[in-house]
Amino acid sequence: DADVTQTPRNRITKTGKRIMLECSQTKGHDRMYWYRQDPGLGLRLIYYSFDVKDINKGEISDGYSVSRQAQAKFSLSLESAIPNQTALYFCATADYRYEQYFGPGTRLTVT
Amino acid sequence: EDQVTQSPEALRLQEGESSSLNCSYTVSGLRGLFWYRQDPGKGPEFLFTLYSAGEEKEKERLKATLTKKESFLHITAPKPEDSATYLCAVQAISSGSARQLTFGSGTQLTVLP
Repeated sequence: DADVTQTPRNRITKTGKRIMLECSQTKGHDRMYWYRQDPGLGLRLIYYSFDVKDINKGEISDGYSVSRQAQAKFSLSLESAIPNQTALYFCATADYRYEQYFGPGTRLTVT
Repeated sequence: EDQVTQSPEALRLQEGESSSLNCSYTVSGLRGLFWYRQDPGKGPEFLFTLYSAGEEKEKERLKATLTKKESFLHITAPKPEDSATYLCAVQAISSGSARQLTFGSGTQLTVLP
């Protein structure tokens, strides 16, 4: 089984809808991250968390929120989706050396 | 502000034709430089971490090197299965940035048989 899983893998939603992307990990890492990837822009950090009480904004947090339900679970929400949030979203965990391990990604399309 | 620039954006090689990918960075103090490989439709896969100028790491046909301003990923005698996007990321020493990585936009490598 994969160490970092993401659900759903693909999602099409309409403008204004609320959507949640979920991430689970079995690596035992405390550090978890959410990124979005757009063609030509690389990976950009949305939020990160070092434990259930430690949530931090990244470079592009506007329009997103997160929840760290447990050490192993970190969810990303789009409260009211808009078309420019169409992207590939990745969850990652990191060990004490900050080596990051990524999930398979969620392809989100907002119409 | 931490910055990472990768070049070239895309590189096409014949099988067996060695080359290098470049990662230039600007940080207030480097804690670590990371290389990842990303296949289409998949999450990035960790390759190497380099911590200080002069350090080198190798894995199969790949060798990563680090100077005070840039890192190179050397690919020796590449094979078609080396085709992927290679991402570089830096972690700064400064307290505001020490807990996150800043990624470059990647080099898309295609190795032709």
